Formats: sequence, C-alpha cells, structure tokens
Amino acid sequence: RKEVEQDPGPFNVPEGATVAFNCTYSNSASQSFFWYRQDCRKEPKLLMSVYSSGNEDGRFTAQLNRASQYISLLIRDSKLSDSATYLCVLYSGGGADGLTFGKGTHLIIQP
Amino acid sequence: AAGVIQSPRHLIKEKRETATLKCYPIPRHDTVYWYQQGPGQDPQFLISFYEKMQSDKGSIPDRFSAQQFSDYHSELNMSSLELGDSALYFCASSLRGSGTGELFFGEGSRLTVL
Repeated sequence: RKEVEQDPGPFNVPEGATVAFNCTYSNSASQSFFWYRQDCRKEPKLLMSVYSSGNEDGRFTAQLNRASQYISLLIRDSKLSDSATYLCVLYSGGGADGLTFGKGTHLIIQP
Repeated sequence: AAGVIQSPRHLIKEKRETATLKCYPIPRHDTVYWYQQGPGQDPQFLISFYEKMQSDKGSIPDRFSAQQFSDYHSELNMSSLELGDSALYFCASSLRGSGTGELFFGEGSRLTVL
C-alpha cells in the first residue's frame, strides 16, 4: 500500500458546485497534515494545514480522521480559479525526509 | 515579500553533461530543500540543509551533489546527466521554529536533457 494515496482525477466540476476529495495515508505515526495547491507547471503553495478539529478558510474546509487515516478537502461555491492539482502532504517526523507528498488530485472547474 | 529565487528557470543539456542549479531562500529561513518533480509525478525529496549543514537525504542519485553556502544560498550540482533527469527541480525554504510546517517553494528550474 502506498504511503499516501489520492484519486488522481480529473474531477470535472461545474462552477459554483461543491467538490470534495480525500487522501488516505498508511503511516499512523504521521504528525502533521497539509493541503498544497499546484497550478500547471508552477510551484506547490500551501493551501491550508489540517487539524484534528477540522479547519475552515473561506470556501475551503479540511478535515482529519485519524481513526480511518484520511484527510479531506471540501471546496464550496467552486470558482474557475480553483482549477489546479491539490497535493496531500504528510509529515511523519525525522526531518525533511519525513515529509511525503501525494501524487495529487487534478480538479477542473468548468464554466 | 521576498520569495525563494531559483536560477536558471530553464536549462537544456545533453546526456553526460553537467548542470548546476541555484537557490536563494527567503531571508532568515534556516532550512533549504531540493525536490525533483517528473512529468505527472509528485515532488520527490532529494536533499535538505539546516543552517548550512546537510540535514536529510532522500532519493538523490550519487551523480548529484548539493551544498549550502555562507550566504545561505544553495546549489544542486548534477553530473553525467541522463535523459531521466529531465524534470522540474524545486527549491523550498522554511523556518524550522515557525511551528507551521510550511514550505515556501521557488518557481522551479526546468531541466531538459537531450
């Protein structure tokens, strides 16, 4: 089983719709969780950290389920500018080598 | 605000040549990371430096080496280039004590090996 798994998509979603996708992880020792956004041929940028209590930033909501070992990202009222690849990133300690990137979920918002 | 600066942005080399990529981290950031991202792949960790000392090593080939200098800029040296080295190379920096775990990425250097 891969350490971090994401549905690569693409998810084709009409503008204004709500979309959600998950990321499952196998290392129960994972300490910190993040969602990064990466536009085509651009660098990854932190979208939000994910906390056990869940956190919300505007139209974006992130959840962590440690029991089932997954994190989720919900985007409400999707905009065309939300089209990107969303990378799930886990930190399991032990320095930089403990940071693991998922392969990303490709989201396309259609007008 | 200043971001992570990488150069060159694009580089074309032939097999068996050498290449050097440069990275200037955000001022006062104490940790620098190098990542390699192939087409359609997630970023793969190569190597990192903390306060100018090598900190962690990932899947960096023996043909590659890196160092961080006194002014905190870092260079990734790649020798005996192979076609499979064609990728986007990202440098990222962070402040270890920030508590956020956030990495700030540069725009990347795209290496094409012919």
